[in-house]
Parts: sequence; C-alpha cells; structure tokens
Amino acid sequence: DQQVKQNSPSLSVQEGRISILNCDYTNSMFDYFLWYKKYPAEGPTFLISISSIKDKNEDGRFTVFLNKSAKHLSLHIVPSQPGDSAVYFCAARTSGANNLFFGTGTRLTVIP
Amino acid sequence: KAGVTQTPRYLIKTRGQQVTLSCSPISGHRSVSWYQQTPGQGLQFLFEYFSETQRNKGNFPGRFSGRQFSNSRSEMNVSTLELGDSALYLCASSEGRGGEKLFFGSGTQLSVL
Repeated sequence: DQQVKQNSPSLSVQEGRISILNCDYTNSMFDYFLWYKKYPAEGPTFLISISSIKDKNEDGRFTVFLNKSAKHLSLHIVPSQPGDSAVYFCAARTSGANNLFFGTGTRLTVIP
Repeated sequence: KAGVTQTPRYLIKTRGQQVTLSCSPISGHRSVSWYQQTPGQGLQFLFEYFSETQRNKGNFPGRFSGRQFSNSRSEMNVSTLELGDSALYLCASSEGRGGEKLFFGSGTQLSVL
C-alpha cells in the first residue's frame, strides 16, 4: 500500500521557468515531509523539508507547500536550471520516527 | 567528514544464493537504516538499527535480515535470493535521536539471475 504517491513519473521544463512537482499522501499521522533529489549512480540527497505545523518553507530557489486538508504537497523550483535535472522523491514520516515513506519519484528534465 | 560508504557497488548473484551487503555510516552516527529501491515501488524501508539493536522494521519477509556492530557499521543479508530481489539497496545514517535528516550512501546494485 503506497502511502506516499507521486503520480507524475516525469516532467520536462524549459530552463528559467518554474518546475512544480507534486506529491499526495494518505496517512494523516505523517507530520514531517521531505524532498530528496537523486542523480544516477548516487544516493538520494536531502533538498528541503516542512513540518505539518507550517504550510510553506522556502530555501533559495526551492519552496515546498503543504496542504494538510488535501494531504498534498508540492515542490516549486524557480528558476529551473539544467543542473536540477534529476529524480525527485517526496518522503514522509510520523513524529519522532526515523523511517521514511517514499513516493515513487518524478524525473525532472530541465531543457537548456 | 566522510559520507556513508556502501560496499560492494555492484553484485550479481543467482537464485537461491545468499548475499551480504555492508554499510559504514558517517562518523558519529549511531543509526543505520536500509532501503530497497525498485523501479515501480520507489524506496521502501527495510529496517533500522541503533546501538546494535533493531529499532524498526518494514514489511519485508524474514529472508531479509541485518545487524549492526559496536562501531555502528551495519550489514544486511538476503538469503535464498529471488529474481524480485534485484534492486538498488540504499543505506542511510543519522545521529539516531529520532526525526532527523537521513544521509544516504550511493547504494549496492544487486542483480539476481
């Protein structure tokens, strides 16, 4: 049972435009959400996170939005750069836990 | 600080064999978690070890097991390999206080023929 879902396997965006990656979850006990970025032949690297007490968190070009009532979060990348091309995983966890529930990933391609 | 190190990087086995994967966490990190990544399922949690004890376990059969040593290094073992065990196995470490950011290794790509 996939508790975290990323329904778009891939996304292509022109350089300089906004990339929006979406994620839905089903478990209302999740209270912390993370985005990881993965390049081929490397492990996932942490990008940005958000606690359930917030609805937005921003870090440079990256912003994560959380809509708890809809059980939906999104990652916005503005402006998108070719180096952002990677697979992005959404993840969630319950309070105090270390184990993460991951989505299946979205492959972002930023076209120069 | 050195990152999370996983060995070997690639492994080819045949059905029915067993395999052991190794993970060295970041120095000072006491928690090690293991994840399986397959194309259709994303990353799925296998188990977490903290201070040589399994602290949490995912929904995998008993053929998947692990252990952690006193220096926090961890090994994962899969017995009686099946074709469906072909995957990228990722190890992640953290300080172990709970609710922290995980740092991942590059993984071991296991192919079962």
